[in-house]
Amino acid sequence: QSALTQPPSASGSPGQSVTISCTGTSSDVGGYNYVSWYQQHPGKAPKLMIYEVTKRPSGVPDRFSGSKSGNTASLTVSGLQAEDEADYYCNSFAGSNNLGVFGGGTKLTVL
Amino acid sequence: EVQLVESGGGVVQPGGSLRLSCAASGFTFSDHWMTWVRQVPGKGLEWVANIKKDGSVKKYVDSVKGRFTISRDNAKNSLYLEMNSLRAEDTALYYCGRDVGWCRVDYWGQGTLVTVSS
Repeated sequence: QSALTQPPSASGSPGQSVTISCTGTSSDVGGYNYVSWYQQHPGKAPKLMIYEVTKRPSGVPDRFSGSKSGNTASLTVSGLQAEDEADYYCNSFAGSNNLGVFGGGTKLTVL
Repeated sequence: EVQLVESGGGVVQPGGSLRLSCAASGFTFSDHWMTWVRQVPGKGLEWVANIKKDGSVKKYVDSVKGRFTISRDNAKNSLYLEMNSLRAEDTALYYCGRDVGWCRVDYWGQGTLVTVSS
């Protein structure tokens, strides 16, 4: 499968909101409600932030939210904080015979 | 506390082989699918392979099919990735992860670096 499409960068000031998009196809994002989002700080392992499009694992602040429309999923970070500056990757299930597919990643900068 | 600790990375010549290991603790290993994900330094994440709880189902990304083999030993709480015919493009940090379904990885190791270079 081809990688999902994310903008390479996004930015916002502290306290603002920013939304990162993730575009796939009907074979992945559009076909299943199994989109997840990962946060990765430099030199660290990825951390699961959102799963099944809208759900947050325990411990993830409710400033992080997810949504989906058609073949595009989105991650919104509200009330931006300095520690939110990181790379964000979306991922989608792509069928039981396949591995998942990641997006290319978005570098979020808090201005 | 869930812990995943990878080992076995290193520098290898093109065409060579390596075996990565991932030691799991803090959860019932045999209850979970497990996965390997890699990341070229400075680049994005890529699924490499995953394996069902009992080892009966294995999936691979096309670029490693026929060269890499994922396996597990539930008695030893360990996951493995046997890598043969290594290429320069396999150079990456390899992460072990616990896959809790639908390609959702809820715990990750810290990674082990594989460098393929002459």
